Amino acid sequence: DIQMTQSPSSLSASVGDRVTITCRASQGITNYLAWYQQKPGTVPKLLIFAASTLQSGVPSRFSGSGSGTDFTLTISSLQPEDVATYYCQNYLSAPRTFGHGTKVEI
Amino acid sequence: QVQLQESGPGLVKPSRPLSLTCTVSGGSISSSHWWNWVRQSPGKGLEWIGEIYHTGTTNYNPSFKSRVTISVDKSKNEVSLKLNSVTAADTAVYYCAKSSGFLQWYLESWGQGTRVTVSS
Repeated sequence: DIQMTQSPSSLSASVGDRVTITCRASQGITNYLAWYQQKPGTVPKLLIFAASTLQSGVPSRFSGSGSGTDFTLTISSLQPEDVATYYCQNYLSAPRTFGHGTKVEI
Repeated sequence: QVQLQESGPGLVKPSRPLSLTCTVSGGSISSSHWWNWVRQSPGKGLEWIGEIYHTGTTNYNPSFKSRVTISVDKSKNEVSLKLNSVTAADTAVYYCAKSSGFLQWYLESWGQGTRVTVSS
């Protein structure tokens, strides 16, 4: 099974800050990497797929990069509505494992 | 737009099977998507349980070993999850989710989730 390791597990930043979350796969997954946002008490929402493709309707301050084993989710200018937990997911092969999540606070 | 709605008992006794249904509306379950189950234990992260294609092809998380079965009912446009021999560790919110496409397994749509508590 492919293990997904996210870091940090939590972070606190200020409005307007640039925030970076990393996700590392235990083996290469080319670009079969998705990012999800889960705001408190809500359903997870797809942000990015194929490592860097923004899902329709997602603000452009979100971006993704990486390939192979190392991936990054960046929020260019953190907004109050971005308070959430962010998860990466390998979807190259089953089991389609999630990272343990990164909680972003302001 | 396809909508997903999970349903099932909110309380299950230990050692009993857990059975949930995901009703798909606004689209056909026979379309080129995989139908997934994901769960989230209280205060924890997301755990992928498994997926099924309308042909009946399934993939499961080995963590659930032989306890899990996912099935489709095309006549009802439903996907079902059965988890045998539950324990308190199976207490979670269970989500049904739809993949983007046949070879695109990321989860583009999610149901609202259904909370299941395992307790006597």
